[in-house]
Amino acid sequence: EAEVAQSPRYKITEKSQAVAFWCDPISGHATLYWYRQILGQGPELLVQFQDESVVDDSQLPKDRFSAERLKGVDSTLKIQPAELGDSAMYLCASSPDTGVLQYFGPGTRLTVL
Amino acid sequence: EDQVTQSPEALRLQEGESSSLNCSYTVSGLRGLFWYRQDPGKGPEFLFTLYSAGEEKEKERLKATLTKKESFLHITAPKPEDSATYLCAVRHYGGSQGNLIFGKGTKLSVKP
Repeated sequence: EAEVAQSPRYKITEKSQAVAFWCDPISGHATLYWYRQILGQGPELLVQFQDESVVDDSQLPKDRFSAERLKGVDSTLKIQPAELGDSAMYLCASSPDTGVLQYFGPGTRLTVL
Repeated sequence: EDQVTQSPEALRLQEGESSSLNCSYTVSGLRGLFWYRQDPGKGPEFLFTLYSAGEEKEKERLKATLTKKESFLHITAPKPEDSATYLCAVRHYGGSQGNLIFGKGTKLSVKP
């Protein structure tokens, strides 16, 4: 069964350091999403890609966060510099197209010290 | 403001004790309501999609229903392996294409 892959699964960093997360969606899925989930809360969308183009990054803190999907396949989310409040689970999801069921990866748990 | 509210925040049941989880929503035109299950330290796993009031979906001990303002996830004779956080999400006409608004979830614990 095809799955969304994410790495690393866990990341511990100190504040002001740079971190990067990687996501490989299900093969053939054109739409890719990055969510942030704070403990005890539901996931909140950070950025949505359709192929290699960003279609929604309205909730992405652009002063420190960046995301890319250069060839329209895998994607990288970067935080520089990391702050204490960035500690959360970062989830990647993909779907065959927009408006269709989203499949989630296992997430990357980030702890900022 | 578009909003999804889940209740209760936490629910503790004995094995076999049936109950229901609630998801109420206020959005500008519903395009689908989704239920996901999330185990600790893992990503959400899809359970059901509902599109119109009166619609029902079932899977093993779970049954999801939808009205114009809320959805219920009924759990019949739960087992310890049903323990997880259950997330509700909606897609609406006012949002970005494909964008989901999630509730905070209901954490279910089923004791043997």
